[in-house]
Amino acid sequence: DAGVIQSPRHEVTEMGQEVTLRCKPISGHDYLFWYRQTMMRGLELLIYFNNNVPIDDSGMPEDRFSAKMPNASFSTLKIQPSEPRDSAVYFCASSLTGQGAIFSPLHFGNGTRLTVT
Amino acid sequence: RKEVEQDPGPFNVPEGATVAFNCTYSNSASQSFFWYRQDCRKEPKLLMSVYSSGNEDGRFTAQLNRASQYISLLIRDSKLSDSATYLCVARDSGGGADGLTFGKGTHLIIQP
Repeated sequence: DAGVIQSPRHEVTEMGQEVTLRCKPISGHDYLFWYRQTMMRGLELLIYFNNNVPIDDSGMPEDRFSAKMPNASFSTLKIQPSEPRDSAVYFCASSLTGQGAIFSPLHFGNGTRLTVT
Repeated sequence: RKEVEQDPGPFNVPEGATVAFNCTYSNSASQSFFWYRQDCRKEPKLLMSVYSSGNEDGRFTAQLNRASQYISLLIRDSKLSDSATYLCVARDSGGGADGLTFGKGTHLIIQP
């Protein structure tokens, strides 16, 4: 089991540029979550998908953020245009659904550290 | 509003000692709980799952007190490598993130 795979590990970009973060969930997991973590605010849920369908995007900060999940094995989080306040670590996580879902923990990817200058 | 409260610490503990910290949850419908360990600049990693009264894994013991709505994490014979932030998570429904509530973590420092 390869775990949740995120890329890139680090991204440094200038303000105004487009940033795309990528995530491959664990095979068989049908929930996918995007979180952002900063020292000040801790872990914040941005959006989550179930069976590739966005369920709740109320955590997405503003229209500059968008997320897609074109298939069960791939998701992207895009920021356009990026701003310095978007600097954070972005985590993707996946988990199972079904009858046992409530007992299924989240499995996190190793994150993308984004720095916007 | 669903909340999970943790003492942020830091807890400074000498190597070899036993340390325990609690996590309180506000939603009485929470059914499963998880402790994650997060090292600096790394992702949260699952440490233990707690469904019934408790769970034990080596030096780590998690206990659930439903009446008082808290779970605890006990670490025996602490090691330098136990230094990390410990996140508590409560889950009250299957699947969706609306059933998941994260605490902000307890910072643990094991001192030589």
